[in-house]
Amino acid sequence: DVKVTQSSRYLVKRTGEKVFLECVQDMDHENMFWYRQDPGLGLRLIYFSYDVKMKEKGDIPEGYSVSREKKERFSLILESASTNQTSMYLCASRTPSRHPENIQYFGAGTRLSVL
Amino acid sequence: SQQGEEDPQALSIQEGENATMNCSYKTSINNLQWYRQNSGRGLVHLILIRSNEREKHSGRLRVTLDTSKKSSSLLITASRAADTASYFCATDTGTASKLTFGTGTRLQVTL
Repeated sequence: DVKVTQSSRYLVKRTGEKVFLECVQDMDHENMFWYRQDPGLGLRLIYFSYDVKMKEKGDIPEGYSVSREKKERFSLILESASTNQTSMYLCASRTPSRHPENIQYFGAGTRLSVL
Repeated sequence: SQQGEEDPQALSIQEGENATMNCSYKTSINNLQWYRQNSGRGLVHLILIRSNEREKHSGRLRVTLDTSKKSSSLLITASRAADTASYFCATDTGTASKLTFGTGTRLQVTL
């Protein structure tokens, strides 16, 4: 079974802090994703990465950056946390690119509160 | 932008009843998928239906796809309390490995 692990289930940070959310997958997947989930808005894609050191902006990249130094690890960085970044953050990886069906596997989520 | 929109937003039924939720989308797709999310957890893939398929079954799940109407439905038969969760449709348009998720249907199954 694919395992996607997010380093923290809950985080509380202060406005202006730099925040790191870590995600590790164990299936050697090339593609990894970061979403945020807010009530009534569903899942919105922040950034995704299709290989080591490769990244692309999603629908809402403002205020975020990412790092993919190793294939198994994809980090989301909030450069200067703000209260409107309080949300549930979900990491996912997908079946290999050569696989015709794009199925995503999710971590348990990190609920971030910015005070 | 949201490709998929689920309907209804919330659904409450009793154990043993069937639950039907619908998803509409806007553009051509390669496939459509349904995911489940238990409260406060990540999403879990349930079932995938390709654009050239009209119906698919998996256990108590039945998915239909009507590409002419750009819509899909998920039927859960003989619901159980453990089916209580949010259900999301996701569309794959073949663009850069991305999926686009809808806003979800919250299903409550009571004893």
